[in-house]
Amino acid sequence: DAGVIQSPRHEVTEMGQEVTLRCKPISGHDYLFWYRQTMMRGLELLIYFNNNVPIDDSGMPEDRFSAKMPNASFSTLKIQPSEPRDSAVYFCASSQGDPEAFFGQGTRLTVV
Amino acid sequence: EDKVVQSPLSLVVHEGDTVTLNCSYEVTNFRSLLWYKQEKKAPTFLFMLTSSGIEKKSGRLSSILDKKELFSILNITATQTGDSAVYLCAVESGGGADGLTFGKGTHLIIQP
Repeated sequence: DAGVIQSPRHEVTEMGQEVTLRCKPISGHDYLFWYRQTMMRGLELLIYFNNNVPIDDSGMPEDRFSAKMPNASFSTLKIQPSEPRDSAVYFCASSQGDPEAFFGQGTRLTVV
Repeated sequence: EDKVVQSPLSLVVHEGDTVTLNCSYEVTNFRSLLWYKQEKKAPTFLFMLTSSGIEKKSGRLSSILDKKELFSILNITATQTGDSAVYLCAVESGGGADGLTFGKGTHLIIQP
């Protein structure tokens, strides 16, 4: 298996634009997590899914953020409209229900 | 609110030195503590600890958990330049794979 695959690897966008980050979890993993990493706050859990169903989105910073998982092999995190303070590295991770999650390579988002 | 605090934030040592990284936590319903190594991109899993006093070891790395004093340490002996990375401590709390609460990490630099 190729591991957790995220795209794009880097994105630079202007404030106000919509941003969509994509994730393909490891096949057979039924948990999917979205994390955000910044220097100030470290790694923060935004939302996680179990069997494609959102379980806890309490970490989503505000309504501009939304996440979907239409099937077991694909998830998106959308920011609309984006703001400069959304600049961060966004990680997707997946697991089989144990705490050891496997992380993707991340998407570095810069909003100017 | 769950809290994970790592120290030091940054550490610079010479190759061959031994280092100890610290992680303290305050969480409800503690289940496990995990250590990750983050080099340039995705965090990669090192150890998971659930029981006090039982050392986990992998080569030159070892870790132990103290559930009474609510902390863990990660030791690296005979450090090498390839050990340079950010070391992340994370705690699993609550029920099931509810996502991890991460510390901000210790940035370790090994100088030749």
